[in-house]
Amino acid sequence: GDSVTQMEGPVTLSEEAFLTINCTYTATGYPSLFWYVQYPGEGLQLLLKATKADDKGSNKGFEATYRKETTSFHLEKGSVQVSDSAVYFCALHPWPADYKLSFGAGTTVTVRA
Amino acid sequence: EAGVAQSPRYKIIEKRQSVAFWCNPISGHATLYWYQQILGQGPKLLIQFQNNGVVDDSQLPKDRFSAERLKGVDSTLKIQPAKLEDSAVYLCASSPSNTEAFFGQGTRLTVV
Repeated sequence: GDSVTQMEGPVTLSEEAFLTINCTYTATGYPSLFWYVQYPGEGLQLLLKATKADDKGSNKGFEATYRKETTSFHLEKGSVQVSDSAVYFCALHPWPADYKLSFGAGTTVTVRA
Repeated sequence: EAGVAQSPRYKIIEKRQSVAFWCNPISGHATLYWYQQILGQGPKLLIQFQNNGVVDDSQLPKDRFSAERLKGVDSTLKIQPAKLEDSAVYLCASSPSNTEAFFGQGTRLTVV
């Protein structure tokens, strides 16, 4: 079935460092791809999304490009802040299909001042 | 716009007891999901409703878990009897279509 594989963590960075979290997917058809973020003690929130090949999703300084040729949707941020410390989940929504939303295992990111 | 509401936020029960969780999705959202998130893991889909019909319950342990969606709106998830390995956060989410899902705060269940 459709699935995502996410880079394992944890990842620890210094403030202003460059962050990248790898995500690759397996899917038939043309899935939509998402990055969700879970801050400590909070629920999951959508960070960004892309619905077709070559789309770039962006939000809060984060970016990810839907690469069909490499089946990837890597998350990047050029200069992280302490407030970016969270767990990041890559997710896939197959299409056409039954709207099932599948998540990766999550990557814990800690940014130190 | 009100978000997805879940209750209770926390629950502690003894093994073999029963427990129920409630979810009120965003108004107008046809799709409702229940996920189980064990500490350190990604959310695992338990059951997915489209309006009041079940789309996918392939990973729901049906010998102990049950779920229903009343009139295509609110939903309840029940565990009976609970086991220690059911300790997790139970997340409810809703979606208007095949777009992003909106999550509630979750219910943290501890089985002792």
